[in-house]
Amino acid sequence: GDSVTQMEGPVTLSEEACLTINCTYTATGYPSLFWYVQYPGEGLQLLLKATKADDKGSNKGFEATYRKETTSFHLEKGSVQVSDSAVYFCALGPFNDYKLSFGAGTTVTVRA
Amino acid sequence: DAGVTQSPTHLIKTRGQQVTLRCSPKSGHDTVSWYQQALGQGPQFIFQYYEEEERQRGNFPDRFSGHQFPNYSSELNVNALLLGDSALYLCASSSFTGIASYNEQFFGPGTRLTVL
Repeated sequence: GDSVTQMEGPVTLSEEACLTINCTYTATGYPSLFWYVQYPGEGLQLLLKATKADDKGSNKGFEATYRKETTSFHLEKGSVQVSDSAVYFCALGPFNDYKLSFGAGTTVTVRA
Repeated sequence: DAGVTQSPTHLIKTRGQQVTLRCSPKSGHDTVSWYQQALGQGPQFIFQYYEEEERQRGNFPDRFSGHQFPNYSSELNVNALLLGDSALYLCASSSFTGIASYNEQFFGPGTRLTVL
């Protein structure tokens, strides 16, 4: 079935460091891909999305490109801030399906 | 504009009991999905309601049931609670506009259920 595998954490970085969280997927057809972020004590917020191959999603300095040839959707940010400390989830929405399938999440801690 | 709201925030129950969780979707949304997030894991899809009917269901037993009301709000009911039902229950709303996988889901803060 459709699934997502993302890089295990936790990840600890210093402010202004570069962040990459790897995400690969298995799916039939052409799924949509998402990155959600969960701050402590809060629900999930959509960070960015891509609905077709080669699309690049971007938001708040984060970027991810939908790579069909490598079945990947890696999340990147060039310079992280303490406020980026959160749990990041990669998710897949199968084509014309209503559910989202999530990865296990990657905890990111940014130190000043 | 209020986002997705859920109640209660926290709930403690004992094994065998029944629980009802509530969700109000974001204004303008007509579809509600429920997810279970166990500690340290990603959310797992329980089911989705649209037009007051269950439109799709994940791999959860019949102990999990739901309802959607004419105002699009929704309830999640869990019967015969097990210790393993302890989790954060997330509600997400969306507005169906065509291709299902394109529809952005907006999540509420969740209800933390503890089963003792």
